[in-house]
Amino acid sequence: SQTIHQWPATLVQPVGSPLSLECTVEGTSNPNLYWYRQAAGRGLQLLFYSVGIGQISSEVPQNLSASRPQDRQFILSSKKLLLSDSGFYLCAWTSGQYNQPQHFGDGTRLSIL
Amino acid sequence: QQQVKQSPQSLIVQKGGISIINCAYENTAFDYFPWYQQFPGKGPALLIAIRPDVSEKKEGRFTISFNKSAKQFSLHIMDSQPGDSATYFCAASIHGSGNTGKLIFGQGTTLQVKP
Repeated sequence: SQTIHQWPATLVQPVGSPLSLECTVEGTSNPNLYWYRQAAGRGLQLLFYSVGIGQISSEVPQNLSASRPQDRQFILSSKKLLLSDSGFYLCAWTSGQYNQPQHFGDGTRLSIL
Repeated sequence: QQQVKQSPQSLIVQKGGISIINCAYENTAFDYFPWYQQFPGKGPALLIAIRPDVSEKKEGRFTISFNKSAKQFSLHIMDSQPGDSATYFCAASIHGSGNTGKLIFGQGTTLQVKP
């Protein structure tokens, strides 16, 4: 069966520090991968998605970047964190086939001080 | 229009009652409509999904009703239980445009089921 892992579960970082969040998927190949941000009590904002290694599409201009160095690995990064980067970051995958759902990881709670 | 409008924002239901959450969309190219359930501190989990060629789909106590002409769909939770207390998201997607699998999410409904 397929599983998705995100780490760390929680992270507290000072303003101006770098960020690296990692997401890996097991049990499938060539998945579509997604990064979302969820503000407290709010909906899901799609940040980036990837349909293959090295292929990254950005949905909103921001202080973050994403990379996909391997088929089942998706990384969210920042060189200098802002207070506004605080939130709950979720990674998701789908097979990319017709009418298949996205499956989410358990997220990373990022607090910027 | 790439929006999905979800209502209500919050909902309180007594145990055993029916919870109803509604979503509306504009883009007739949407062809896949999943619902997700999210507990605090967890990622959303797929609850049930429907395609526009079906007017209703039922899985246990959860039912999706789909009205293609009105461009609306709703989630009904029968015999609501305190364990159903969570945030629910509707979503929609278009397949065929490069198979990106992108989902457009509603803003979420926080459901509280009182014992």
